[in-house]
Amino acid sequence: DVKVTQSSRYLVKRTGEKVFLECVQDMDHENMFWYRQDPGLGLRLIYFSYDVKMKEKGDIPEGYSVSREKKERFSLILESASTNQTSMYLCASTSLLAGKSYNEQFFGPGTRLTVL
Amino acid sequence: RKEVEQDPGPFNVPEGATVAFNCTYSNSASQSFFWYRQDCRKEPKLLMSVYSSGNEDGRFTAQLNRASQYISLLIRDSKLSDSATYLCVVNGASSASKIIFGSGTRLSIRP
Repeated sequence: DVKVTQSSRYLVKRTGEKVFLECVQDMDHENMFWYRQDPGLGLRLIYFSYDVKMKEKGDIPEGYSVSREKKERFSLILESASTNQTSMYLCASTSLLAGKSYNEQFFGPGTRLTVL
Repeated sequence: RKEVEQDPGPFNVPEGATVAFNCTYSNSASQSFFWYRQDCRKEPKLLMSVYSSGNEDGRFTAQLNRASQYISLLIRDSKLSDSATYLCVVNGASSASKIIFGSGTRLSIRP
């Protein structure tokens, strides 16, 4: 059974704290993604990575950074958490189709982060 | 104009009804298309891929209309367990292209 796991289901942090969210996949996928999901706004891409040590900004990268030191692991870092970063964070991974378009994405269970 | 647009709903239909959702996309070069289902407080999960020739999986039928740039999802004989948010996803033509999620259509099936 394929799996994407995230380090925490629920997290409460204080404003200004550094926050690490970890994601691990066991499918040997090249591509990994971090999204946040907010009511009425849908899924918004923060960062993605198409290979180890490679990263690309998504639509809303401000206030976030990422790290991909190993193929199976993709970390999202909030350098200094703020209340507007309270959200559901979802990690996903996928492979490429033969035509180089993306295949189905597999999502982790999500981390609900609250910043006080 | 948003790159992928869905009617947010909510659609509230009786059990046994047939319900259809559309999703329009703006990039004519888009190559792969999917419908995902997301239950409340859960992660999205693939419902079905959408192929050019259309495809069916039990009570679910997905269609792609490239000329008008939309995909559709038809649910027949709806069940209470079909209540969820349905997300359409559109992928570009290369790995450098974005994966675009629609904001989702909420479906509620009533007894």
